[in-house]
Amino acid sequence: DAGVTQSPTHLIKTRGQQVTLRCSPKSGHDTVSWYQQALGQGPQFIFQYYEEEERQRGNFPDRFSGHQFPNYSSELNVNALLLGDSALYLCASSFPTQANYGYTFGSGTRLTVV
Amino acid sequence: QKEVEQNSGPLSVPEGAIASLNCTYSDRGSQSFFWYRQYSGKSPELIMSIYSNGDKEDGRFTAQLNKASQYVSLLIRDSQPSDSATYLCAVNRDNAGNMLTFGGGTRLMVKP
Repeated sequence: DAGVTQSPTHLIKTRGQQVTLRCSPKSGHDTVSWYQQALGQGPQFIFQYYEEEERQRGNFPDRFSGHQFPNYSSELNVNALLLGDSALYLCASSFPTQANYGYTFGSGTRLTVV
Repeated sequence: QKEVEQNSGPLSVPEGAIASLNCTYSDRGSQSFFWYRQYSGKSPELIMSIYSNGDKEDGRFTAQLNKASQYVSLLIRDSQPSDSATYLCAVNRDNAGNMLTFGGGTRLMVKP
């Protein structure tokens, strides 16, 4: 049973560029959440997708956008990258009503903005 | 006041001792509580969940919840060096849908 898979594993981008991160949820899960984890901090909620729509959003600027495909996979796009966007980006999958049971996280994408 | 607060540590305990990790939360209506373990450079791994006041045991781990005090803790018995990691407390706040709010994590060091 495949867990949550994320790609790429590592990425280096230049300030001002755009980046796309990808996530495939665990088999059977249809809800995908994205988190940003800066070094030494806890994960911060970016947004959550269900049925191809953004259903919740955290306190992140519009430079952060996403998409969910019919097969439940998801993308996170970040435009006009800033140095402060350097972080570990985590994708988590779940059933829509099962946040109560916790998320399954992918291994993350380490983004470095230079 | 942060929504979920943890002492950043590091918390250092000798091998075989009990490690006690604490977390407080601000939203009194929070319903679900989780402990994640995160090794350096890795993603968080769910180790415990608790929903009702009291204790919940799973192997060497015990989660404790006190909603009146807005306090949740994790006890690790017979601590091993392999338990050395950052432990993240996460809360599903009331009216937050399916979003989990995380604390900043406590770094645990178990010394042989």
